[in-house]
Amino acid sequence: EVQLVQSGAEVKKPGESLKISCKGSGYSFTSYWIGWVRQMPGKGLEWMGIIYPGDSDTRYSPSFQGQVTISADKSISTAYLQWSSLKASDTAMYYCARSSGYVDYWGQGTLVTVSS
Amino acid sequence: QSVLTQPPSVSAAPGQKVTISCSGSSSNIGNNYVSWYQQLPGTAPKLLIYDNNKRPSGIPDRFSGSKSGTSATLGITGLQTGDEADYYCGTWDSSLSAGRVFGTGTKVTVL
Repeated sequence: EVQLVQSGAEVKKPGESLKISCKGSGYSFTSYWIGWVRQMPGKGLEWMGIIYPGDSDTRYSPSFQGQVTISADKSISTAYLQWSSLKASDTAMYYCARSSGYVDYWGQGTLVTVSS
Repeated sequence: QSVLTQPPSVSAAPGQKVTISCSGSSSNIGNNYVSWYQQLPGTAPKLLIYDNNKRPSGIPDRFSGSKSGTSATLGITGLQTGDEADYYCGTWDSSLSAGRVFGTGTKVTVL
């Protein structure tokens, strides 16, 4: 059974750093793109970027380029989304998603709350 | 701002039919497959339709997809209260570095 299991909810202060994770199982982790999707409170889905764990090819949507870092450790079948300095506007639910041309599997989501 | 435009909301009575449009351009819908996702309140999205009109295992045939030119449509027949959710279209866009894009989303309300 394919599963994407994300790390738990986080509460952080502005300016702090954060790295959240998404562990894949039940399939060949290096053979599918893994993307990160942001959903701000009451808003729609936004692609942040995507990584191919097989060769670490990483692409970012323009709005997120330079704002976050996407990485993967294929030895433990885990993808990461990282911030070096959080802002209040980063408060959102973040989903990882296995993608070919479409998303066939989603993680359960990680809620990130940034508040002073 | 998404490059795929959907109506903010649609509604109908139980048992009726609704359609949701997704309008794009030649760089996205016009030359790529479209997928559709259902997001029930408080849950992660779920794949409903892929490759324009295919349903994953377990998705009832009340849900259907079609594409024409630079637009796509999701149809839901025999509307049920459990269908009340947000629906998003998605596709590839060759003008974007990350490639993938979602629509603006449509809230379906069962009256």
